[in-house]
Amino acid sequence: SQQGEEDPQALSIQEGENATMNCSYKTSINNLQWYRQNSGRGLVHLILIRSNEREKHSGRLRVTLDTSKKSSSLLITASRAADTASYFCATGSAVYGNNRLAFGKGNQVVVIP
Amino acid sequence: EPEVTQTPSHQVTQMGQEVILRCVPISNHLYFYWYRQILGQKVEFLVSFYNNEISEKSEIFDDQFSVERPDGSNFTLKIRSTKLEDSAMYFCASRVQREQFFGPGTRLTVL
Repeated sequence: SQQGEEDPQALSIQEGENATMNCSYKTSINNLQWYRQNSGRGLVHLILIRSNEREKHSGRLRVTLDTSKKSSSLLITASRAADTASYFCATGSAVYGNNRLAFGKGNQVVVIP
Repeated sequence: EPEVTQTPSHQVTQMGQEVILRCVPISNHLYFYWYRQILGQKVEFLVSFYNNEISEKSEIFDDQFSVERPDGSNFTLKIRSTKLEDSAMYFCASRVQREQFFGPGTRLTVL
C-alpha cells in the first residue's frame, strides 16, 4: 500500500494568503519530506521532518507532524504567484525499506496574483 | 548549488526498443534512486543503488529494467524492450543524508 496520501485538494488562493495542505500516512515512519513540482518539471525538495519532531520551519514554510494521527501539514505563508505548483509529501519508513520514499498524490495549489 | 542532472529531457521511442536514461547525481552523494511518474499518477519508487549494487527494488522493476553506474559520475536506467505502459516521467534522485534530491526528469514516450 502507498504511504503519503494527501487530502486530494486543489487549492486556489489569492496572493498574500496562507496555503495549508495535509498529508496522512498508514504505517510508522522515520521521516516525512515535502516536495514541490511545477507543471511537468522535476521535484524540488522543500523540507524534511523527522519522526521525533513536531514542527519545523524553513522560510515561509511551516511543517507539522502528528505521529499519533499519522498526519502532516504544510503551511505556506504569504503566498506568491511563484508558489503555484503541486505539493507532494513522501515518507521514509523502515516498513518499506529505509531507502525508498512513498509519495502521495499531490495537492495542486494555484496562487492568483 | 549542486544539483542532479538528467539527460535527455525527452525521449521518444518505438515499442520494443531499448532506451537508456542518464543521470548525474550530486557528486558527494552515496545513494542513488530511480522513480517514475505516469501522467496524473503518483511518483513511484523503482530502485535504489548503493555501493555499486541494487539495495532495493520495487515490483515494477522487473527483468526489463537494469541500472548501472559505469563510472564515477553517471547513473543509468536501461529499459530493454519498452512497452506502451513505460511511458512516464523518470526521475533520478540521490542523497547523502536523509533528504533525497531529484533531477528534472526524463519524459519517456513509447509509441
